[in-house]
Amino acid sequence: GAVVSQHPSRVICKSGTSVKIECRSLDFQATTMFWYRQFPKQSLMLMATSNEGSKATYEQGVEKDKFLINHASLTLSTLTVTSAHPEDSSFYICSARDRGAGGHLVHSREQFFGPGTRLTVL
Amino acid sequence: KQEVTQIPAALSVPEGENLVLNCSFTDSAIYNLQWFRQDPGKGLTSLLLIQSSQREQTSGRLNASLDKSSGRSTLYIAASQPGDSATYLCAVLIYGQNFVFGPGTRLSVLP
Repeated sequence: GAVVSQHPSRVICKSGTSVKIECRSLDFQATTMFWYRQFPKQSLMLMATSNEGSKATYEQGVEKDKFLINHASLTLSTLTVTSAHPEDSSFYICSARDRGAGGHLVHSREQFFGPGTRLTVL
Repeated sequence: KQEVTQIPAALSVPEGENLVLNCSFTDSAIYNLQWFRQDPGKGLTSLLLIQSSQREQTSGRLNASLDKSSGRSTLYIAASQPGDSATYLCAVLIYGQNFVFGPGTRLSVLP
């Protein structure tokens, strides 16, 4: 199956610093990537939808100036947590949707998830 | 707004039992439904994907069914093993192309 990687897998930072998380589709092109957040003992919640070459779409309650998303290529999306605070400590997971053969989108096409990034803000 | 619920929230059973995990969703307008497994502190492992036009999918000891009209899916685990212990997440893919996840069922299979 298709592979999605995330880097780093784990990061610890001081309050007030910025952290960048990368999400890469390794063997397919992804016009759309999704960023989810999971707090301890809770399920995944969508933060934003990242579309290649355009601005991300954020879910209600997610601060776009705090969580900067860049999707500069068909294989890479980045999430930057700016001025991180302890309440931002969470597990961040991305998923990527295969563009499909010939560049045609298939709406029911499977998505592939990255392994996640554990962020701890001290 | 799509909402996904899962019952039970937690389950502890002896090894060898057959299990049924339940998932319900409020809006039947979905592309597909997927069951995932998540081990503590880890990412997601996809178990079964059921397209909206399908009724069920099987993989080894796992069988998932989908009744879109009633907004329900079940994951059946046969002959459970301690290695099956994990959190099982149900998620529906909606027309915004993102997943809406349920809260999960924490399964513990005792040896």
